[in-house]
Amino acid sequence: NAGVTQTPKFRILKIGQSMTLQCTQDMNHNYMYWYRQDPGMGLKLIYYSVGAGITDKGEVPNGYNVSRSTTEDFPLRLELAAPSQTSVYFCASSYGGQGTGNTIYFGEGSWLTVV
Amino acid sequence: AQSVTQLDSHVSVSEGTPVLLRCNYSSSYSPSLFWYVQHPNKGLQLLLKYTSAATLVKGINGFEAEFKKSETSFHLTKPSAHMSDAAEYFCVVSVNNNNDMRFGAGTRLTVKP
Repeated sequence: NAGVTQTPKFRILKIGQSMTLQCTQDMNHNYMYWYRQDPGMGLKLIYYSVGAGITDKGEVPNGYNVSRSTTEDFPLRLELAAPSQTSVYFCASSYGGQGTGNTIYFGEGSWLTVV
Repeated sequence: AQSVTQLDSHVSVSEGTPVLLRCNYSSSYSPSLFWYVQHPNKGLQLLLKYTSAATLVKGINGFEAEFKKSETSFHLTKPSAHMSDAAEYFCVVSVNNNNDMRFGAGTRLTVKP
């Protein structure tokens, strides 16, 4: 009963390095999301996808890129890591869109530190 | 645009006493409202949701919330706190046909023995 799985769980990056956070879900959900959570703050949407081949920006997309080549996978790429990207990242998925009240299933989070 | 305000950043209760976590929302359209719980170093888990059906919504683990349109509130309650309820709670608003959910800043619930 895997649900939403994201890797790595912890990572330290140097300024200017690149990396990809992996996310996969086994529930055949069309919708997938990437959020970031800063200390003492709620989650903010980075990017989302409504299906394979379709992605769109959320509230805070700058500095990130995504792709959705399959229904299961939704990787998040940081091209030039900056200290402002130090955060906890959550991948999530849902059967339908968030606005229709569908339950969102979250991964356990990836802690990223940029030094 | 929609938003939520969680009125308390930290709530502390004794085990066995009632829990009240307050949330006010702002939305131009009929909102969907959610409460999520986050235990330390874990992902978020849905507690309950309101989607324009019954205004009193019951969730998991004995939690419930009441949608009050006149007060633009969606407060979360539980009659008797348990030690396992200690966690961060997020109130979330979403508007129909909008894939952008807006999270409150969270309320940390502490339960004292």
